[in-house]
Amino acid sequence: GENVEQHPSTLSVQEGDSAVIKCTYSDSASNYFPWYKQELGKGPQLIIDIRSNVGEKKDQRIAVTLNKTAKHFSLHITETQPEDSAVYFCAATPRGKLQFGAGTQVVVTP
Amino acid sequence: DVKVTQSSRYLVKRTGEKVFLECVQDMDHENMFWYRQDPGLGLRLIYFSYDVKMKEKGDIPEGYSVSREKKERFSLILESASTNQTSMYLCASSPGQLQETQYFGPGTRLLVL
Repeated sequence: GENVEQHPSTLSVQEGDSAVIKCTYSDSASNYFPWYKQELGKGPQLIIDIRSNVGEKKDQRIAVTLNKTAKHFSLHITETQPEDSAVYFCAATPRGKLQFGAGTQVVVTP
Repeated sequence: DVKVTQSSRYLVKRTGEKVFLECVQDMDHENMFWYRQDPGLGLRLIYFSYDVKMKEKGDIPEGYSVSREKKERFSLILESASTNQTSMYLCASSPGQLQETQYFGPGTRLLVL
């Protein structure tokens, strides 16, 4: 079926280090790939997205890369800070609707 | 700022009860969505609506129904709650195109005993 796989499920990083989360998808028709951040007690919030006609996009300390041939995309967070601790979800768009990965719990330790 | 509100943050119901979860958005968005969130499974789409009185099944519609009588309000109904429907329920809305940013409410944590 249409699947979005996300790794790792948990990620512990030292403050100031980089964090990388990877996702793969199966439906080659997907053309929109958002990333959401969910803080404790809140709903997910979009932090960055990328469309299939672009290979990379940056917004300050976060960046997303997309390899359409390999059907994978990644989130990169540089110079991590305690407020980056949260659950991160990737998503792809098979059949035009969002299909989410299982999520990655990121813990930034001082 | 877009605001999506959900009627309850926490809810405890008994098996067999009819349960209503309400969601309201204030940005005149066309699309509204209901997801459930379970550990290790991410967010799974239950139903969505792209217009008033219109609805489409998502990936896991069994045991649920929805109602959209007004553009700003989207209700999720559990006709006869069961323990396997214990979960976090998230409502979201988005403007015209389906592949646009979705704005989420804070979620309702439902416990079915």
